Amino acid sequence: DAGVIQSPRHEVTEMGQEVTLRCKPISGHNSLFWYRQTMMRGLELLIYFNNNVPIDDSGMPEDRFSAKMPNASFSTLKIQPSEPRDSAVYFCASSRLSNQPQHFGDGTRLSIL
Amino acid sequence: GIQVEQSPPDLILQEGANSTLRCNFSDSVNNLQWFHQNPWGQLINLFYIPSGTKQNGRLSATTVATERYSLLYISSSQTTDSGVYFCAVERSGGGADGLTFGKGTHLIIQP
Repeated sequence: DAGVIQSPRHEVTEMGQEVTLRCKPISGHNSLFWYRQTMMRGLELLIYFNNNVPIDDSGMPEDRFSAKMPNASFSTLKIQPSEPRDSAVYFCASSRLSNQPQHFGDGTRLSIL
Repeated sequence: GIQVEQSPPDLILQEGANSTLRCNFSDSVNNLQWFHQNPWGQLINLFYIPSGTKQNGRLSATTVATERYSLLYISSSQTTDSGVYFCAVERSGGGADGLTFGKGTHLIIQP
């Protein structure tokens, strides 16, 4: 079975540019999560969706961040405009139901110069 | 929010040694997972263990939900076990929720 698929694996861009990260959850999973990993703050939840509906976006750091899930098989996390402090590894995860394990993609390593 | 504390923060062992990693959490949980982050940054699911005991090869885990802790045991460690081990929990009381991660235990296995 295919796992959670994220793209791109690496992204290097200049400050001020728009960045779009993509995620394809495991087929049949109803919940999707975006996390960010930094040295300073560790792994933290940004936003999650149940059945394509955003449930809790309290972890999104600023209005420059937005996330969408137009259908059950695709989600995007967008940063506009990007800043150097957004540099981090961004993970997407999915789970079948509540109380079920979350499965993580390989992450996108983002560097904002 | 829920607090997750892992210990020890760092651990250096010789190949073949056994180790125990601990995770304490501050509230009732309906999901607890152990992950291994390998040198390539991938988060590998080890166990989904909100309660009870599980074993997978040289690894085993026990969660005592009533006392709010979980233990990860690694036996006969190998150099490939090196990396960071994370405990992550999802608090009880609703639908699917996000995981709260501990800061991890950085394990180095020396040959």
